[in-house]
Amino acid sequence: DAMVIQNPRYQVTQFGKPVTLSCSQTLNHNVMYWYQQKSSQAPKLLFHYYDKDFNNEADTPDNFQSRRPNTSFCFLDIRSPGLGDAAMYLCATSRDRLGEQFFGPGTRLTVL
Amino acid sequence: AQSVTQLDSQVPVFEEAPVELRCNYSSSVSVYLFWYVQYPNQGLQLLLKYLSGSTLVESINGFEAEFNKSQTSFHLRKPSVHISDTAEYFCAVTPSRGYNKLIFGAGTRLAVHP
Repeated sequence: DAMVIQNPRYQVTQFGKPVTLSCSQTLNHNVMYWYQQKSSQAPKLLFHYYDKDFNNEADTPDNFQSRRPNTSFCFLDIRSPGLGDAAMYLCATSRDRLGEQFFGPGTRLTVL
Repeated sequence: AQSVTQLDSQVPVFEEAPVELRCNYSSSVSVYLFWYVQYPNQGLQLLLKYLSGSTLVESINGFEAEFNKSQTSFHLRKPSVHISDTAEYFCAVTPSRGYNKLIFGAGTRLAVHP
């Protein structure tokens, strides 16, 4: 089945230690999104790629970066995680900018 | 800019009872509307969507939502809930033109009790 895959499902890191979260898709969609969802809150868009074109949300901290080496993969890099970055990170894809978004299962990040 | 208000943070209900989860939105442009469901420790799944046409949209598992433009609402309903419907439900909007940025409401936790 075509899908959005996130690895790992659970990630533990230490305060200030860089961490990378991974997302892959078999849908061949042009757009890939990263959302942050803190406990009991709505998902919040961090940034998205339209093909290779990176689009950062205005209020996304500089601590968060992203890479998309090819159509299938997208990475979220947190350069120096703080306690406030503990959250569920959701990856989503859509065929184009107006298309339905398909979400992966998420990676729950714990910062010690 | 768009915003979404989900009026109830939690809705407890007994099995086989009807339920309504309320969603109101604000936007200066026309929008598409969505309901997503999130089961514990899982990603979001699209439940149903309104893009155009009939204002009443239905999902395959018995949920329905009605787009009311005059009241800027998109309430979700189910006539008889099951234990398995226990989840978090998110209402979301996106402009119908241009960049597809989903704006989510804060979510409603539906708890179905036996």
